[in-house]
Amino acid sequence: AQSVAQPEDQVNVAEGNPLTVKCTYSVSGNPYLFWYVQYPNRGLQFLLKYITGDNLVKGSYGFEAEFNKSQTSFHLKKPSALVSDSALYFCAVRAFTGRRALTFGSGTRLQVQP
Amino acid sequence: NAGVTQTPKFRVLKTGQSMTLLCAQDMNHEYMYWYRQDPGMGLRLIHYSVGEGTTAKGEVPDGYNVSRLKKQNFLLGLESAAPSQTSVYFCASSVRGGLGYTDTQYFGPGTRLTVL
Repeated sequence: AQSVAQPEDQVNVAEGNPLTVKCTYSVSGNPYLFWYVQYPNRGLQFLLKYITGDNLVKGSYGFEAEFNKSQTSFHLKKPSALVSDSALYFCAVRAFTGRRALTFGSGTRLQVQP
Repeated sequence: NAGVTQTPKFRVLKTGQSMTLLCAQDMNHEYMYWYRQDPGMGLRLIHYSVGEGTTAKGEVPDGYNVSRLKKQNFLLGLESAAPSQTSVYFCASSVRGGLGYTDTQYFGPGTRLTVL
């Protein structure tokens, strides 16, 4: 079975500072990893994904994520946070083979203070 | 191009009542999914479909039924609603690809359901 852990319910950061939202996963075989963002009263929006290749993946709105196979992690990062980045962030995983449905983490609320 | 749409946006039911949630996508995607979102639990897969006329169970299928009679529509039914089904329901779709295709999912805006 595949699973995702987001150890922090909330992350607080000041505007302009770097941010990190943590994610670790468990899956049989090679993983496909995703980050989604959810703004209030909205559906999830795709941010970025890791398939294979370069461990540093760049996505929308200046976000990037680093895949670390040995630590089974896929942390989301941004060099300089904006107040508008405040939202709920979900990490998700699926295995390379098998069912295509994603397994989501419980979500991390990012609060960027002005 | 509207993407993924869901109707209704809000609904309040009494215990035992039935209802159907409609999901529609105009991206010609093969795969469609229904999730429920509960506080602190992320999204959990209820049912999914890999093509017109086919459906399969996800993690939490009990109390729900689905149908995919047309490629663009995926219906989620509650035959006898229970308070435990109070949740926000999201539909998603993804394009079909070959082995190893990543199937990025595109989500609808959600339906907030309250069962009293």
